[in-house]
Amino acid sequence: DADVTQTPRNRITKTGKRIMLECSQTKGHDRMYWYRQDPGLGLRLIYYSFDVKDINKGEISDGYSVSRQAQAKFSLSLESAIPNQTALYFCATSDFTQTQYFGPGTRLLVL
Amino acid sequence: DQQVKQNSPSLSVQEGRISILNCDYTNSMFDYFLWYKKYPAEGPTFLISISSIKDKNEDGRFTVFLNKSAKHLSLHIVPSQPGDSAVYFCAASGETGGFKTIFGAGTRLFVKA
Repeated sequence: DADVTQTPRNRITKTGKRIMLECSQTKGHDRMYWYRQDPGLGLRLIYYSFDVKDINKGEISDGYSVSRQAQAKFSLSLESAIPNQTALYFCATSDFTQTQYFGPGTRLLVL
Repeated sequence: DQQVKQNSPSLSVQEGRISILNCDYTNSMFDYFLWYKKYPAEGPTFLISISSIKDKNEDGRFTVFLNKSAKHLSLHIVPSQPGDSAVYFCAASGETGGFKTIFGAGTRLFVKA
């Protein structure tokens, strides 16, 4: 079984809809992250959490929110989706080292 | 303002030859650097890292070189294999950034058989 799982893997939604992307991990890591990947821009950090009670904004948090429901679960919400949020979204985890372990990604299309 | 830059979007190399992927950074407070590899439809996977106290780290066919004065690092793959064809991301982090990791835009490597 994969250590970091993301659901759904693909999602098509309409402008203005609220959607949630979910991430679960079995690595026992305290730190979790959400990134988006856009062509030519690499991976950009949206939000990160160093433990269950800790939530921090990344580079591009506007239009997004997160919830750390447990050590193993970190969900990303788009409150009102817009077309420029069409991207590939990755969840990642790490322990106290700086090596991150990524999920397989969620491809989101906002029409 | 990109703090980590990979100026070559793509690189094509013949099987068996050396692949050299380059990365530049602007923040002198970065003290830990990583390379990740990404295949289509998969998440990035960690490949190799280097601390700023070193100038070279080697793991099998992969070697990362760090030139702190030039704020430059490179990944060497020798010999290159077709299975190395992927997107490679350079990443940097440091205590002053709260240990957030900043990624470059990636370089797509094609290894031709």
